Amino acid sequence: EVQLVESGGGLVKPGGSLRLSCAASGFTFSNAWMSWVRQAPGKGLEWVGRIKSKTDGGTTDYAAPVKGRFTISRDDSKNTLYLQMNSLKTEDTAVYYCTTDAGGNPFDYWGQGTLVTVSS
Amino acid sequence: DIQMTQSPSSLSASVGDRVTITCRASQSISSYLNWYQQKPGKAPKLLIYAASSLQSGVPSRFSGSGSGTDFTLTISSLQPEDFATYYCQQSYSPYSFGQGTKLEIK
Repeated sequence: EVQLVESGGGLVKPGGSLRLSCAASGFTFSNAWMSWVRQAPGKGLEWVGRIKSKTDGGTTDYAAPVKGRFTISRDDSKNTLYLQMNSLKTEDTAVYYCTTDAGGNPFDYWGQGTLVTVSS
Repeated sequence: DIQMTQSPSSLSASVGDRVTITCRASQSISSYLNWYQQKPGKAPKLLIYAASSLQSGVPSRFSGSGSGTDFTLTISSLQPEDFATYYCQQSYSPYSFGQGTKLEIK
């Protein structure tokens, strides 16, 4: 069974940093392209960024609002995806989901999400 | 960046109704269009991928069509469990979502 479990959310002050983790199981993590998607309270879904598998280059892409502030990385030995968030703004407050195409189709598996609150 | 625009933003309908939600891309995305359903407090669920392919386990009352810039999601006969928010997403370059359509009970 595919499982994605996010952790690391919490309350952080504007300008601060936070690192989210996503522990994956039930599929070959090293072969999967992984993404982060966020959802601000009462708002819609927003794609944050993606990391390809190392065999496909391991490159990253980011949405414009987070480019230069957020960094996605992966540790295939630990089956874990990371999202390093720096220079956080109040508008980064959201539930952050990790998602993958492990089943062969876009974003066919999702974690339960972790809440990040940026507030003074 | 590719912008995705859904309409309507909200919709009231009754059990048994046929419902259509539309999604327009700001440029051609071929058939790289996916639809998701999200219920309150839950992660989204993939319904349709590649514009018209039904994800495994999704009821056949859901269908998708379109290519290029214009797409539709149709629910042929609404069931109580279908009241939720629906999002389209392009996976052409790289990803972006529509703003969502909230489907409510009339």
